[in-house]
Amino acid sequence: GENVEQHPSTLSVQEGDSAVIKCTYSDSASNYFPWYKQELGKGPQLIIDIRSNVGEKKDQRIAVTLNKTAKHFSLHITETQPEDSAVYFCAATATRGDMRFGAGTRLTVKP
Amino acid sequence: ETGVTQSPTHLIKTRGQQVTLRCSSQSGHNTVSWYQQALGQGPQFIFQYYREEENGRGNFPPRFSGLQFPNYSSELNVNALELDDSALYLCASSLASGRTNHEQYFGPGTRLTVT
Repeated sequence: GENVEQHPSTLSVQEGDSAVIKCTYSDSASNYFPWYKQELGKGPQLIIDIRSNVGEKKDQRIAVTLNKTAKHFSLHITETQPEDSAVYFCAATATRGDMRFGAGTRLTVKP
Repeated sequence: ETGVTQSPTHLIKTRGQQVTLRCSSQSGHNTVSWYQQALGQGPQFIFQYYREEENGRGNFPPRFSGLQFPNYSSELNVNALELDDSALYLCASSLASGRTNHEQYFGPGTRLTVT
C-alpha cells in the first residue's frame, strides 16, 4: 500500500519568511495529493490540493508542486504570518477512500 | 467551518466496553470516511462509506465497524475497547462520483479515552 513520508517534523520561521514542507510517496498509482492544516483542538482543514495531471498549483500565499517522476510533492507558504502556525499534513491516494497521511510538520511562525 | 459535525466531543470508556461515534456529513455529500488520529501522528484511514456500503477499509480489525444512513450520516462502532484505541476519531465527508478522488472535509473529531 501507499506510504507517505513528510519532512521536516518541525519548522520555525520568522514572520514574512517562506516555509517549505516536503513529502514523498511510494505508490506510483497515487493521483490525488491534498494538504491539510490542523490547529489545536480542531479537525484538519483542507488548504490546497493537486492532481497528478498538474505540476503546480497556487492559491494566494500557498503553492504546491508535484514531481511524479521522483514521487514527491511540496507545500510552499510565502510571506508567513503568525496565524499560519499549526500542524500541516500531506496526504496521497490512488483509490477513492484509502488516503494515507504523512506524520505532520509543526510550523511555528515567530513574530 | 466545513459543515461536518461529530458527536460526542469527548468520551471516556473502560477497556472492554463498546462505543458508538456519530458524524453528520456536509450538505450534498454522499461519502463519509473515518480516521483514527493518535497523539502526535497523522490520521489513519479506518474505512469509507459510499451510498450506505463500505467502500474501502484500512488496516483495522473487525471490531471497528460502521454504518451509513440514507441521509448520509454515519456511525463508527468499536467493540471490546483497548487502551490503544485512545485517540481522536475524525470523520470526513466528500461528494464522490465514479472513481475520481474528491476533496474530503473533516469534522472537529471525537476525543476517545480508554482507561
